[in-house]
Amino acid sequence: GQQLNQSPQSMFIQEGEDVSMNCTSSSIFNTWLWYKQDPGEGPVLLIALYKAGELTSNGRLTAQFGITRKDSFLNISASIPSDVGIYFCAGQSTGNQFYFGTGTSLTVIP
Amino acid sequence: NAGVTQTPKFRVLKTGQSMTLLCAQDMNHEYMYWYRQDPGMGLRLIHYSVGEGTTAKGEVPDGYNVSRLKKQNFLLGLESAAPSQTSVYFCASRTQLAKNIQYFGAGTRLSVL
Repeated sequence: GQQLNQSPQSMFIQEGEDVSMNCTSSSIFNTWLWYKQDPGEGPVLLIALYKAGELTSNGRLTAQFGITRKDSFLNISASIPSDVGIYFCAGQSTGNQFYFGTGTSLTVIP
Repeated sequence: NAGVTQTPKFRVLKTGQSMTLLCAQDMNHEYMYWYRQDPGMGLRLIHYSVGEGTTAKGEVPDGYNVSRLKKQNFLLGLESAAPSQTSVYFCASRTQLAKNIQYFGAGTRLSVL
């Protein structure tokens, strides 16, 4: 299967700090997606990106679709305690399958 | 709105036992997916379905079977459970119209002893 490498694996930050995480792939994707997963729950979509170079925001979250179509990043500004969770990237090329990254665990210290 | 509902939420099996996980969605979505989530591995696709009566293999289909007899339900079966199938299983659905937006259930935590 296609491998998506997500970094960092985990982050411990102070409330109010900005966060940056990224995802790289060995293959080209047509769509990049970013999800957040809370403990005991399924992932919830945060941002969807459909074009190379696209920069999209959702509140304090900003994500970009890399020019090479093999990478994407997610930034969270001014983190708050409810940002705690695991963040996943996912990519889709053609077809109906989605490939997920290994996740970034975020801990926000009040 | 119920969205995507998975049953059961937890289950413990002995090696060799069989079971079926049920996924039900009330959004009239065409596509449904079964994933497994293991520590450090992200989500991996087991099987998926693009419509009632159709199924297809994903990345890790071995040891699992699926059926989509009704549009709203997608069943995942383990015929002879193995310890390697200990995992958290997630179902997701999406509509053709909403492009790539999948809606996930809350998961089923399965332990095989």
